[in-house]
Amino acid sequence: QKEVEQDPGPLSVPEGAIVSLNCTYSNSAFQYFMWYRQYSRKGPELLMYTYSSGNKEDGRFTAQVDKSSKYISLFIRDSQPSDSATYLCAMVKTSGSRLTFGEGTQLTVNP
Amino acid sequence: DTEVTQTPKHLVMGMTNKKSLKCEQHMGHRAMYWYKQKAKKPPELMFVYSYEKLSINESVPSRFSPECPNSSLLNLHLHALQPEDSALYLCASSQDLPGFFPQHFGDGTRLSIL
Repeated sequence: QKEVEQDPGPLSVPEGAIVSLNCTYSNSAFQYFMWYRQYSRKGPELLMYTYSSGNKEDGRFTAQVDKSSKYISLFIRDSQPSDSATYLCAMVKTSGSRLTFGEGTQLTVNP
Repeated sequence: DTEVTQTPKHLVMGMTNKKSLKCEQHMGHRAMYWYKQKAKKPPELMFVYSYEKLSINESVPSRFSPECPNSSLLNLHLHALQPEDSALYLCASSQDLPGFFPQHFGDGTRLSIL
């Protein structure tokens, strides 16, 4: 069983929709959580970083962490065609430095 | 534009060639990383440098040889690669090694082995 599970999609939504992307994890040692966006032929771009349970908002993006359920989410409001990309969740254990990635979810926002 | 710069963007090489990938960051970060990414897969960690010293080698074959000449530069020397080594090679950096410092990635070098 993988330590981090993420539905690979693909996920296709109309422009303006609210998008919900999710990851679950099995090891409570994971304490730091990140969401990366990766466009085709580009490197992963850090979108959100959080380490506590609860919500963190940045513009149209909200990252949510529920450590009791071992579940993290990224919400995208008013989605745009430019949001079409692969979204990778990533997390790090308390005493570690290795990023453990989910498989990535491919998102397409249709105009 | 990313703050981690990788060159070249594309590289095609034969199995007997020797080439190098370069990575540069000017954010004052003290930890730097090499990752390999295959199509539709997440990045896989290869090497980690902390304060210019190799900290982690994820059992990478010796045909890949990393080098950290100074705190801003990271090289990956390639020799006698195999076709299965064709992938996107990503460099990343973070302020320091502990995991609570998020990693920032470059756009990678797309490597093709003939």
